[in-house]
Amino acid sequence: TQLLEQSPQFLSIQEGENLTVYCNSSSVFSSLQWYRQEPGEGPVLLVTVVTGGEVKKLKRLTFQFGDARKDSSLHITAAQPGDTGLYLCAGRLYKLSFGAGTTVTVRA
Amino acid sequence: NAGVTQTPKFQVLKTGQSMTLQCAQDMNHNSMYWYRQDPGMGLRLIYYSASEGTTDKGEVPNGYNVSRLNKREFSLRLESAAPSQTSVYFCASREDLNTEAFFGQGTRLTVV
Repeated sequence: TQLLEQSPQFLSIQEGENLTVYCNSSSVFSSLQWYRQEPGEGPVLLVTVVTGGEVKKLKRLTFQFGDARKDSSLHITAAQPGDTGLYLCAGRLYKLSFGAGTTVTVRA
Repeated sequence: NAGVTQTPKFQVLKTGQSMTLQCAQDMNHNSMYWYRQDPGMGLRLIYYSASEGTTDKGEVPNGYNVSRLNKREFSLRLESAAPSQTSVYFCASREDLNTEAFFGQGTRLTVV
């Protein structure tokens, strides 16, 4: 059983469409991170959210941390083929635990 | 600008063979981690070292041992490899519990 549940597992959309990826848990996290991983590479940090209800924007990416600090979402506006990758959320209890990830494919 | 360096990048082992995966970081980070990544299961923590001289089990430690040789290096050893250990292994390091984790490029291990 994953500590962090991500949904959907796979997402394939057309360039220009919007998408949202979810990360949920029954545990409360002091912080939550989103990483993006490309094939053959290690994950790279996109953002860290710390405060319940926090919203962070990174160009076309919007990250939200739930009020209760148990869940988070990543929204991409006007997706581009360069957004293709595996998106992982990670939360810290006493160690850093990862969700299973959402594989996003953006078709040109 | 090396960051986290893992060796080797690829390895094929026969069942029962042993090997050590090496990891070194040049960022003076306190914490280091070993994960395995399998399709549909994300990154699962094998072992971690919160600081030099300490190591702790993660979610899937069976069949593995680790050594935090010094602050820079954290190795993962498979004493008797099994096909179930076929996976991609990632080493990571971070300064403290709230900071970014930096990952190596991974070791793709196949046990036949």
